[in-house]
Amino acid sequence: DAGVIQSPRHEVTEMGQEVTLRCKPISGHNSLFWYRQTMMRGLELLIYFNNNVPIDDSGMPEDRFSAKMPNASFSTLKIQPSEPRDSAVYFCASSLGQRPPYEQYFGPGTRLTVT
Amino acid sequence: DQQVKQNSPSLSVQEGRISILNCDYTNSMFDYFLWYKKYPAEGPTFLISISSIKDKNEDGRFTVFLNKSAKHLSLHIVPSQPGDSAVYFCAASAWSGYSTLTFGKGTMLLVSP
Repeated sequence: DAGVIQSPRHEVTEMGQEVTLRCKPISGHNSLFWYRQTMMRGLELLIYFNNNVPIDDSGMPEDRFSAKMPNASFSTLKIQPSEPRDSAVYFCASSLGQRPPYEQYFGPGTRLTVT
Repeated sequence: DQQVKQNSPSLSVQEGRISILNCDYTNSMFDYFLWYKKYPAEGPTFLISISSIKDKNEDGRFTVFLNKSAKHLSLHIVPSQPGDSAVYFCAASAWSGYSTLTFGKGTMLLVSP
């Protein structure tokens, strides 16, 4: 299996622009998670989906952030408009069901820089 | 409020010696604990886990110890190797119909030859 695939790997954009991050989970996994990693806050869970349905988006920082999962093999995280404080590494992870020990498999991340 | 804390941002160890990474938690409802390893420019990878009903789990050079009364767990790597140099994240899970992971901020381990 190719593992979790994220694109792009790097994104540099100007403040105010729309940014879309993409994720393809591992085939057969039915839970998908979006995380943001910063030096100050570490790894934060933004939103997670189970069977393509958003379960908890309480970690989404504000209305500028939105996420979708139109099917089992694709998810997007959109930031509109982007701000410099959104600069971070964004990870997507997937897992097989909700079985202990609940390990999640991470993609390589997208490093976002907003200037 | 940080529910999972890794108080040591970094740790340096010599090759062949033991590395001990520590993690504290506050939520008594956590039922599983996991350790992840992360190399630069890569995503975290699952390393080892332990159920809250156990106090030790071993996998090769890696052993995780859990002290529920102290709400403390540790990861022991013996012997440490230069390839173990990475950031190690402690994570915890609490079942509430669904399970998510709460991560600590990580400890950077440097193993020198």
